Amino acid sequence: LAKTTQPISMDSYEGQEVNITCSHNNIATNDYITWYQQFPSQGPRFIIQGYKTKVTNEVASLFIPADRKSSTLSLPRVSLSDTAVYYCLVGDGSARQLTFGSGTQLTVLP
Amino acid sequence: SQTIHQWPATLVQPVGSPLSLECTVEGTSNPNLYWYRQAAGRGLQLLFYSVGIGQISSEVPQNLSASRPQDRQFILSSKKLLLSDSGFYLCAWSVKGQGLAGTSYEQYFGPGTRLTVT
Repeated sequence: LAKTTQPISMDSYEGQEVNITCSHNNIATNDYITWYQQFPSQGPRFIIQGYKTKVTNEVASLFIPADRKSSTLSLPRVSLSDTAVYYCLVGDGSARQLTFGSGTQLTVLP
Repeated sequence: SQTIHQWPATLVQPVGSPLSLECTVEGTSNPNLYWYRQAAGRGLQLLFYSVGIGQISSEVPQNLSASRPQDRQFILSSKKLLLSDSGFYLCAWSVKGQGLAGTSYEQYFGPGTRLTVT
């Protein structure tokens, strides 16, 4: 299993861009990278997924360098409602691979 | 569309009592199913996963067991609860990954059950 490492917490201010980096040095060829968001007392919610280079959707961008040993979730112009825990997962889609780490607590300040 | 149900939403049980949490999925067939536990202020711990009826894999030794009697039903049980079983229990499903680069999948989570063992 590819182990992931994320910062435990980050603070930001409303309107700023936030970048959360995840390290996954032993990522395998068939692994792809998925990010989830979790609010208190709710299940995690899918944000974005990618395999290499850059992926963008309506809520975030995901940057993956050529060696794929890390990835960066970018949240543009965060608001207070973006305060949540963000998890990075690495896996090939098999059931055994879907294990969440401790995540990054993002706190957006006014 | 697919939906996932969990019940009950909250539960307070005494130490030594039995437990049964149920999860059902609608709108999909042959999903992977998962049980997670989240202690207060902690990340998600994978407890069990299932790739099919009667097929259960356990990730950690514990006081809990899981069963999948039907394709879209996943049950978490305990014969005797411990204080350490308190937590937020989440059921999730996903389509089966094909292990192909670029294959997209995600896990869909239920609303969770808040269990307090007293």
